[in-house]
Amino acid sequence: GEDVEQSLFLSVREGDSSVINCTYTDSSSTYLYWYKQEPGAGLQLLTYIFSNMDMKQDQRLTVLLNKKDKHLSLRIADTQTGDSAIYFCAESRNTNAGKSTFGDGTTLTVKP
Amino acid sequence: EAGVVQSPRYKIIEKKQPVAFWCNPISGHNTLYWYRQNLGQGPELLIRYENEEAVDDSQLPKDRFSAERLKGVDSTLKIQPAELGDSAVYLCASSPGQVFSGANVLTFGAGSRLTVL
Repeated sequence: GEDVEQSLFLSVREGDSSVINCTYTDSSSTYLYWYKQEPGAGLQLLTYIFSNMDMKQDQRLTVLLNKKDKHLSLRIADTQTGDSAIYFCAESRNTNAGKSTFGDGTTLTVKP
Repeated sequence: EAGVVQSPRYKIIEKKQPVAFWCNPISGHNTLYWYRQNLGQGPELLIRYENEEAVDDSQLPKDRFSAERLKGVDSTLKIQPAELGDSAVYLCASSPGQVFSGANVLTFGAGSRLTVL
């Protein structure tokens, strides 16, 4: 079945860039997503990328997709303490009707 | 827009007791999902509804879990009887549904944290 893997922890200094990585196994993945979860809250969609794209930029966020290696990354520029959270990578195969498979999350800690 | 509303936020029960969680999705969202999130893990799908119809319940432990979405809006997830291993956060999410083609963008509620003693 589908599998999505992420490194568990990342620690950066405020103002630095953060890069969170994800690998997935399903070559049929159509969309790849990044969600953010703050303590005691549900997941919030940050951005997503269609599988025929290799990069998407949205303000401080840059998503890179290497479809050949099934590798997805999220770069956060000028990381702030408010970016401290758990970041989940997810994939889905179908348009809206499909289910999303999530990784186990990367805990980002931003130190002042 | 209130977002996806879930209740209760927290529930502590003893094993073998029943428990129910309620979800009100975003207005107009036809698709509703229940996910279970164990500590330190990502969400895992339990059941997905398209309007009133459960279209994917393959991961729902049907011996003790049940769900309903009677009028295609609110949904209830029930566990009876609860076991120690059911301790988790139960997340409800919704998305616009089949009329929207493209990315499967989910809006999540804050979750219901269940502790079974």
